[in-house]
Amino acid sequence: QSVLTQPPSASGTAGQRVTISCSGSSSNIGSNNLYWYRQLPGTAPKLLIFGNNQRPSGVPDRFSGSKSGTSASLAISGLRPEDEADYYCATWDDSRSSPVFGGGTKLTVL
Amino acid sequence: QVQLVESGGGLVRPGGSLRLSCAASGFTFSDYYINWIRQAPGRGLEWVSYISSNGYTIYYADSVRGRFTTSRDNAKNSLFLQMNSLTAEDAATYYCARSLYCGSDCYSPGMDVWGTGTTVTVSS
Repeated sequence: QSVLTQPPSASGTAGQRVTISCSGSSSNIGSNNLYWYRQLPGTAPKLLIFGNNQRPSGVPDRFSGSKSGTSASLAISGLRPEDEADYYCATWDDSRSSPVFGGGTKLTVL
Repeated sequence: QVQLVESGGGLVRPGGSLRLSCAASGFTFSDYYINWIRQAPGRGLEWVSYISSNGYTIYYADSVRGRFTTSRDNAKNSLFLQMNSLTAEDAATYYCARSLYCGSDCYSPGMDVWGTGTTVTVSS
């Protein structure tokens, strides 16, 4: 059971906008920055969003992050077939004194 | 280019030991906190450990504390994970991942550089 809760799956058609949620508590999302990673099949994770809503260099602005209270979301607009991947949220947990990950969301592009 | 490359994975019997390595290149290794992250087959990401840039501060997940030891050699741009008393639950792909730089004595759970991973199989 992951500390952060994500839906196990999400889907959308090409060109659509999809959102993936990440729910936590006051000891993690509620008081710390949120990060999002994308993991393409058979590859290592890649940082998509840091500091709740900042994109590393090279990440297109189709990807955006937001946070409110103890929940966060990743939005992907203009969905493309290559966006089909697993997406993970992560943050620091004050109670555990450790980083924690969500269980991951498998995004399917129909 | 900025790169992390893990090695040392393989097949080990339950109760056995294994030492993983992570070789860094393309950046000033001694400036960064580094993490070990693992992913069991078909499962999500699990943080295992992190080590401060100078190696003096090390933290472990509860699931591995007392069995795993993280260390680094900044002169050789290398990170290590000594794994003892391995069980089937430790079978996973192990990644080393660089934490975002946030200061000389600051840990960020954001990880901007990942290796390709090395696979540990625990079976008799």
